Amino acid sequence: GQQVMQIPQYQHVQEGEDFTTYCNSSTTLSNIQWYKQRPGGHPVFLIQLVKSGEVKKQKRLTFQFGEAKKNSSLHITATQTTDVGTYFCAPRGSYIPTFGRGTSLIVHP
Amino acid sequence: DAGVTQSPTHLIKTRGQQVTLRCSPKSGHDTVSWYQQALGQGPQFIFQYYEEEERQRGNFPDRFSGHQFPNYSSELNVNALLLGDSALYLCASSSRDSHQPQHFGDGTRLSIL
Repeated sequence: GQQVMQIPQYQHVQEGEDFTTYCNSSTTLSNIQWYKQRPGGHPVFLIQLVKSGEVKKQKRLTFQFGEAKKNSSLHITATQTTDVGTYFCAPRGSYIPTFGRGTSLIVHP
Repeated sequence: DAGVTQSPTHLIKTRGQQVTLRCSPKSGHDTVSWYQQALGQGPQFIFQYYEEEERQRGNFPDRFSGHQFPNYSSELNVNALLLGDSALYLCASSSRDSHQPQHFGDGTRLSIL
């Protein structure tokens, strides 16, 4: 399967601060999906990126796919306590589905 | 419209025993994938079933086996349980189109004593 590396592993922020997690691959990805897993919950699909350089927004969340389709990022503006959870990137396509280790976001009120 | 349902929610077994976990996919989905998620880790792909056959498999030993039924529901069987098999087992369903997102169930928390 396609391996991805996510950084950072953990991120502590004060409520209202911004947050970014990065997903890097050594190989070109056909597409990438992002999931969020709340503590004690299951992964929930957030978005899929397919095109080189693609940028998609969901309210305070901005997702980017790199020009070379080897990296992706998720940026959250003005974090809220409801943003707490682990964010996973996952390449999708004909390959074995692979999840990164995830970035755990901790928001302090 | 029910989402992905898994049973049981929790299970405690001892080393050497066998376990069967069950999954019903979201309505309209025909593909089921199983994942193992250890504490603090991302989900690790075990295998995927489509048309009642195992289509893809991750790096898991033969102790892990599965089945898909004509109604698309699926079972995950694990034989000769080891302490290291303790984890959250997630089932995800999707349509055959590999570009479609996966919908996850709440998982089965398996503890091996």
